[in-house]
Amino acid sequence: DAGVTQSPTHLIKTRGQHVTLRCSPISGHKSVSWYQQVLGQGPQFIFQYYEKEERGRGNFPDRFSARQFPNYSSELNVNALLLGDSALYLCASSSLVGGEAFFGQGTRLTVV
Amino acid sequence: GENVEQHPSTLSVQEGDSAVIKCTYSDSASNYFPWYKQELGKRPQLIIDIRSNVGEKKDQRIAVTLNKTAKHFSLHITETQPEDSAVYFCAANKFGAGGTSYGKLTFGQGTILTVHP
Repeated sequence: DAGVTQSPTHLIKTRGQHVTLRCSPISGHKSVSWYQQVLGQGPQFIFQYYEKEERGRGNFPDRFSARQFPNYSSELNVNALLLGDSALYLCASSSLVGGEAFFGQGTRLTVV
Repeated sequence: GENVEQHPSTLSVQEGDSAVIKCTYSDSASNYFPWYKQELGKRPQLIIDIRSNVGEKKDQRIAVTLNKTAKHFSLHITETQPEDSAVYFCAANKFGAGGTSYGKLTFGQGTILTVHP
């Protein structure tokens, strides 16, 4: 799992603000997925991107969006933050074929 | 969509005992079942996985079994050690033609395993 990097590691935002989270996958991995993990629960799927195209979307509002860049890194954007958006946001990197997913260390987002 | 149920939510064992965590899934098309270990404040780490073309897989002290008919899979840890204490998550995914992942891991709710010295 070494090699998936996320930034920032911690973030505090105010309700209504916007946030951008970043992820760099393992070298050679072309697929990036985003997950939200609320304390005490399992990760919940938000998005998957492959070759800059959205390949899957979980049950999250339109305030959540993402994109993937030509170097396969990715951004997750959340608009109009709510207190309930406070969570650990995890990025997972995988090769599309064969597909073991390896997670980054996450970004801990706190909305106050 | 897929739904994964995991039991128990907490499990406490003595060092050296075995631990078993069970998961059921709802989508019969799911064909890939990983297990992740997450220590407090750290990332989930893949510890073992199984694909639907096999019934059992072992890696040293850990093993996973899969019953496709019952849509049930389990994690077995033998000779538990205090460093096995963590939260364990099962998950399910499906791969299409050519082994292409649909990308969506559906996780169980997690099991807090505590191994007492």
